[in-house]
Amino acid sequence: TQLLEQSPQFLSIQEGENLTVYCNSSSVFSSLQWYRQEPGEGPVLLVTVVTGGEVKKLKRLTFQFGDARKDSSLHITAAQPGDTGLYLCAGADQTGANNLFFGTGTRLTVIP
Amino acid sequence: DSGVTQTPKHLITATGQRVTLRCSPRSGDLSVYWYQQSLDQGLQFLIQYYNGEERAKGNILERFSAQQFPDLHSELNLSSLELGDSALYFCASSLYDRNTEAFFGQGTRLTVV
Repeated sequence: TQLLEQSPQFLSIQEGENLTVYCNSSSVFSSLQWYRQEPGEGPVLLVTVVTGGEVKKLKRLTFQFGDARKDSSLHITAAQPGDTGLYLCAGADQTGANNLFFGTGTRLTVIP
Repeated sequence: DSGVTQTPKHLITATGQRVTLRCSPRSGDLSVYWYQQSLDQGLQFLIQYYNGEERAKGNILERFSAQQFPDLHSELNLSSLELGDSALYFCASSLYDRNTEAFFGQGTRLTVV
């Protein structure tokens, strides 16, 4: 089972601050996805990165896929209370299997 | 709204019982994935169906089974329930066989008492 470790596990910051969440593995993935999950809801896909070194921006969120396709980061600029939630990274298996391996999650709280 | 519908939203049942969770994928999506989310295990992949056929299996117990019907909706059957089966069960769907962009339903919260 591929293991995706996310850090930090919990993060509480003030509105307007910047933050970075990390997703690390010893396995190589064909693609990596980031989701945000709010209480009582299912995970919502934010972005998919496919190419090693790829950087994608979604408004104040910047996602990067590591060169070796083993790790990824999510950077949020000027965090807002609406960014509060559980952030999950998920790697798509490279061996041909169709399951996604989800990370351990980062629970972000942005305090107004 | 992801377009994926799961029912019921909440389910409380006793140990030893059997329950069925239902999922309707997004219109046009052929793949359905089932996941279990518990506090200590995170999101765990259980099983995938593509166009009616089982395509991939994850950490699914033998007491659990699933199927996908001709209209593409899917059911997850959980039997001989134990307290440890209490969790959120999510269904996700995607257009293709590969799980590159999956859309999740709101989940079914199962409580076994």
